[in-house]
Amino acid sequence: EAQVTQNPRYLITVTGKKLTVTCSQNMNHEYMSWYRQDPGLGLRQIYYSMNVEVTDKGDVPEGYKVSRKEKRNFPLILESPSPNQTSLYFCASSYVGRGRDEQYFGPGTRLTVT
Amino acid sequence: GQSLEQPSEVTAVEGAIVQINCTYQTSGFYGLSWYQQHDGGAPTFLSYNALDGLEETGRFSSFLSRSDSYGYLLLQELQMKDSASYFCAVRDRTGGFKTIFGAGTRLFVKA
Repeated sequence: EAQVTQNPRYLITVTGKKLTVTCSQNMNHEYMSWYRQDPGLGLRQIYYSMNVEVTDKGDVPEGYKVSRKEKRNFPLILESPSPNQTSLYFCASSYVGRGRDEQYFGPGTRLTVT
Repeated sequence: GQSLEQPSEVTAVEGAIVQINCTYQTSGFYGLSWYQQHDGGAPTFLSYNALDGLEETGRFSSFLSRSDSYGYLLLQELQMKDSASYFCAVRDRTGGFKTIFGAGTRLFVKA
């Protein structure tokens, strides 16, 4: 089954404690992306990757890191989380430039930073 | 800069037709997509337009006019299960390949 998986689904942590949210896709997609969703703001892109070892900033990259060492995985790292990073996070993947711009989303990770 | 505008809420009755508009500002426009998100769920892809005109997928259609920087999603024969949030999104090829989403339109379908 084609899917994007994220772990954990729910996470409560404290300010400053480093955390990683994993993301994996099994569709051999080149493009992977992280979004955060906050009420009234839609989805805002944090980072994206066009392929292995190629990452770039989205609109809200501050406080986040990513890496793309394998095509299927795209972890999101918060080195020192702060309360303003409390949000719902989605990972997504897609092909690039094949005439149908369909992003597949993971189930989401609800993060609370106290 | 880059931005997308869509109405925050739309209400319609079951069986009716509803149109959700989206206007965008981006310098490196690549295409306009539409996603549906039910409460507690992840966004799911509905439709994509790279060229001007209408794309039809079952009860859903999407339209794009690149000269007007405008598109819309048309939902026909509305059903209660269509109550959800709908997001337009553009890809921007300026300096990369960003994806920018609108803030979303909450659709309420009434019996």
